[in-house]
Amino acid sequence: KNEVEQSPQNLTAQEGEFITINCSYSVGISALHWLQQHPGGGIVSLFMLSSGKKKHGRLIATINIQEKHSSLHITASHPRDSAVYICAVRFYSGGGADGLTFGKGTHLIIQP
Amino acid sequence: EPEVTQTPSHQVTQMGQEVILRCVPISNHLYFYWYRQILGQKVEFLVSFYNNEISEKSEIFDDQFSVERPDGSNFTLKIRSTKLEDSAMYFCASSLSGTGVNQPQHFGDGTRLSIL
Repeated sequence: KNEVEQSPQNLTAQEGEFITINCSYSVGISALHWLQQHPGGGIVSLFMLSSGKKKHGRLIATINIQEKHSSLHITASHPRDSAVYICAVRFYSGGGADGLTFGKGTHLIIQP
Repeated sequence: EPEVTQTPSHQVTQMGQEVILRCVPISNHLYFYWYRQILGQKVEFLVSFYNNEISEKSEIFDDQFSVERPDGSNFTLKIRSTKLEDSAMYFCASSLSGTGVNQPQHFGDGTRLSIL
């Protein structure tokens, strides 16, 4: 069964800490997405990766295709980073279009 | 920056009634998606749509669901006879290409559907 696992499920940290959220998946993928879901429910796309590393501001995403693993890092974390971070992948076995399979999300709280 | 818009933001419907959720994807995008998120659970794929037909659908997307692009700008999800378990947040998304490799999916803010 094609699955996406995230860890940790919940993470509370102090402002300024370096944050790492992990994602692993079961079989080959064509792309991996990191998404941010705000308390109101809206979803924002942060990164899409198929290899290597991407950086945007204080956010860094890496992927290791061989190990079927990706990480999302937040440097100099701030309370406004508090949100649910979701890993979603497009499995090769999924067919012609691009329905994503989602992890359960990591609920991040950054305390001032 | 262009965005995906969804209406209504909250829909309350009696069980057994039909409901239509509406989405306006980003104008030059070609691929369209519906996802749902039951409260407290992960987001689940429902259906993808390209070139005026369904490209892929999940096991969730049974005969009570249908999608349509009626006028070249709107993308709708219809639930024919709603059940209590259809209560969820429904997200529309669109992307420029369908490979998923080079183009991200852009999500709307969702429609919260409550079935009474």
